[in-house]
Amino acid sequence: KQEVTQIPAALSVPEGENLVLNCSFTDSAIYNLQWFRQDPGKGLTSLLLIQSSQREQTSGRLNASLDKSSGRSTLYIAASQPGDSATYLCAVRVNRDDKIIFGKGTRLHILP
Amino acid sequence: DAGITQSPRHKVTETGTPVTLRCHQTENHRYMYWYRQDPGHGLRLIHYSYGVKDTDKGEVSDGYSVSRSKTEDFLLTLESATSSQTSVYFCAISAGTGVTGNQPQHFGDGTRLSIL
Repeated sequence: KQEVTQIPAALSVPEGENLVLNCSFTDSAIYNLQWFRQDPGKGLTSLLLIQSSQREQTSGRLNASLDKSSGRSTLYIAASQPGDSATYLCAVRVNRDDKIIFGKGTRLHILP
Repeated sequence: DAGITQSPRHKVTETGTPVTLRCHQTENHRYMYWYRQDPGHGLRLIHYSYGVKDTDKGEVSDGYSVSRSKTEDFLLTLESATSSQTSVYFCAISAGTGVTGNQPQHFGDGTRLSIL
């Protein structure tokens, strides 16, 4: 059974720092991995999607990497800003029938 | 933003009453999902649909049923609501497998349901 883990559960860093969020999964046979952002009281916003054949994806200050063999993905945020404060979730697509398994998220707080 | 509308956005009801939540999309996407989000458990899949009248169970489907009679609408029904079903419910859509591979999921803003 696929399990997705995100550590730490919460993180506080000063504004301007570069930071890395971690996601690990137990079964390396995934179709893709997606990173989301969730603001309090809101739905999830898709940030980046990495196909199983890819190693990384970039969007602005965000870079997500994928290492299937080790069951790990990282989300790198450059030059963090207070507006980056949110909960970040990773999710893996398990198989072709489109089930997706979510981690419990990392709650990020950027200190002004 | 993807065109996803969940209704109602908030609902308070009593134990034992039936409840139906609606998800409406304007993207013509094939896949639709219902999740619940609870502290300590994260997002858990309840049911999903891979086409009109084609649905399947997720990991927490007990006590829930779904229907999809049109591409744009996916209904989640609690036949007899219980307090353990108090949660925030999210609908998501996905185009599925495209030319460039599997497409991302997009989420609605959620329905906050309280069962007293």
